[in-house]
Amino acid sequence: QSVLTQPPSASGTPGQRVTISCSGGNSNIRSNHVYWYQQLPGTAPKLLIYRDNQRPSGVPDRFSGSKSGTSASLAISGLRSEDEADYFCAAWDDSLSNWVFGGGTKLTVL
Amino acid sequence: QIQLVQSGTEVKEPGASVKVSCKASGYTFSNYGISWVRQAPGQGLEWMGWISTYNGGTKYPQKFQGRVSMTTDTSTSTVYMELKSLRSDDTAVYFCVREDCIDSICYLGDYWGQGTEVAVSS
Repeated sequence: QSVLTQPPSASGTPGQRVTISCSGGNSNIRSNHVYWYQQLPGTAPKLLIYRDNQRPSGVPDRFSGSKSGTSASLAISGLRSEDEADYFCAAWDDSLSNWVFGGGTKLTVL
Repeated sequence: QIQLVQSGTEVKEPGASVKVSCKASGYTFSNYGISWVRQAPGQGLEWMGWISTYNGGTKYPQKFQGRVSMTTDTSTSTVYMELKSLRSDDTAVYFCVREDCIDSICYLGDYWGQGTEVAVSS
């Protein structure tokens, strides 16, 4: 059971906009920044969003992050086939003194 | 270019120990801490702890305290993660990841090792 809650799956057609949610609590999302990672099959996770809504260089502006209270969201606009991957949210948890993750959302591009 | 290269696949029996290495290159090793994250088959990510490559200080989550040990060798820019008393549910891919910091707030950054498969089976 993951500390952060994500939907197990999401889907969309090419060109669509999809949103993936991440729900947590006061000791993690509300108190600290949220990070998003993309994991293609058989590869290491890749940082997609840091500090709630910042994109590392090289990440397309089709990817955006937001946070409100104890929830965060990752939005992907102009969906492309290469976006098909697993997406994980993460945050530091002050109570656990741990990095905590969501269970991951498998994005399918139909 | 910045790289983290991990050691190869390990197969261990229950009760044994495993030691995985992560060799860094392309940056000043002691300027960035390293965390270890594991992923069981078909599962999510789990943080196993962090080591300062500057002074060897460590931070482990309660779940792994007493069973995990992280060390660093600055002469070879390598970090090691040893997990003892292996169980079948330790079967996972283990990743090292470089920590990045902005304004003293650090996070699991953009540079990950390729992963090391550890299988625990009798």
